[in-house]
Amino acid sequence: NAGVTQTPKFQVLKTGQSMTLQCAQDMNHNSMYWYRQDPGMGLRLIYYSASEGTTDKGEVPNGYNVSRLNKREFSLRLESAAPSQTSVYFCASSEETGNTEAFFGQGTRLTVV
Amino acid sequence: QKEVEQNSGPLSVPEGAIASLNCTYSDRGSQSFFWYRQYSGKSPELIMFIYSNGDKEDGRFTAQLNKASQYVSLLIRDSQPSDSATYLCAVFMDTGRRALTFGSGTRLQVQP
Repeated sequence: NAGVTQTPKFQVLKTGQSMTLQCAQDMNHNSMYWYRQDPGMGLRLIYYSASEGTTDKGEVPNGYNVSRLNKREFSLRLESAAPSQTSVYFCASSEETGNTEAFFGQGTRLTVV
Repeated sequence: QKEVEQNSGPLSVPEGAIASLNCTYSDRGSQSFFWYRQYSGKSPELIMFIYSNGDKEDGRFTAQLNKASQYVSLLIRDSQPSDSATYLCAVFMDTGRRALTFGSGTRLQVQP
């Protein structure tokens, strides 16, 4: 009964380092999303994948890249981390895009120093 | 203007009262509307969704939608301290971006 699983849960990076956040869902959902959440800002969409093989930019894509590895997995990569990318990152999935319930992973708390 | 706007709160209500949470959105073509609850340090979880004008009830929760006024609300009856959380309004807009757009959330505090 895992749902959406994100790894890692916590990460501290130095400015300029790179890392990949992993996300996997076991609900056979077509669509997957990456959001970031900052205090007072709500959830902001970074990238999404409407279906396997497609990815699209969201509201705040700069500094990030994504890969939809297969139907289950959607990763988010920071090539050169900046302090402005300190945030909580949530992966989510839904059966189809937008009009259906999105299920969220437990989040990754990332600090860039 | 933000695409989805919510009062950040905190909204403080006594136990047993009705809590009223409000949300406005900018895109008149928006199609579906969701309310998520997020406890501190946790991930958002869906409470309700509504697609059509009017009211939709689920237990102690009622979602209200007025597309003409571009307004959606969530009423929580008989509020409990366990309802204390941040409530996020999310909208599926007709903008080509096929993902939910979230408001910044309203923090609700239910006082025992």
